[in-house]
Amino acid sequence: SQTIHQWPATLVQPVGSPLSLECTVEGTSNPNLYWYRQAAGRGLQLLFYSVGIGQISSEVPQNLSASRPQDRQFILSSKKLLLSDSGFYLCAWSRRYGGSAEKLFFGSGTQLSVL
Amino acid sequence: AQSVSQHNHHVILSEAASLELGCNYSYGGTVNLFWYVQYPGQHLQLLLKYFSGDPLVKGIKGFEAEFIKSKFSFNLRKPSVQWSDTAEYFCAVNALGANNLFFGTGTRLTVIP
Repeated sequence: SQTIHQWPATLVQPVGSPLSLECTVEGTSNPNLYWYRQAAGRGLQLLFYSVGIGQISSEVPQNLSASRPQDRQFILSSKKLLLSDSGFYLCAWSRRYGGSAEKLFFGSGTQLSVL
Repeated sequence: AQSVSQHNHHVILSEAASLELGCNYSYGGTVNLFWYVQYPGQHLQLLLKYFSGDPLVKGIKGFEAEFIKSKFSFNLRKPSVQWSDTAEYFCAVNALGANNLFFGTGTRLTVIP
């Protein structure tokens, strides 16, 4: 069966420090991979998605970047965190059905607090 | 890009009441539509999805949703809610052939026993 691992679960970082959140998927190959940010009252905001190694699509220009160095690894990064980067970050994966993303499977999330 | 509107932010119902949560999307082409649910302390999970065919789709736990293309809507319904349905519900859309999936702001449902 497929599993998705996301870490760390919580993170407290000072403003201006770098960020690296990692997500890995097991039990499937060539998945779509996603980073979302969830904020109360704002739903899930799609940040990045990837359909293959080295292929990253950004939906929202901001202080963050994403990379996919391996088929089942997706990394969310920042060189210098801002206060506004605080939030709950979710990684997800999906298969493709007819060329479209099928249902998403979500990780457990990372609560990031930037102080 | 596609966008999704969920106009009900917080809905409070008594057990056995009927439920309808609104979802409207904006996109002129063919879409795939989803409802996800997040129970307290749990991961987001798929409730039901529409890709094509019968516009009335049935999901888990007695939920159903109807795709009305002319209204750009995909409302979620359940005839009789239970306390265990207390959760946050998210509508989502992606364009046919696309891999980016856009979510609404969510509706928090509280069911009072």
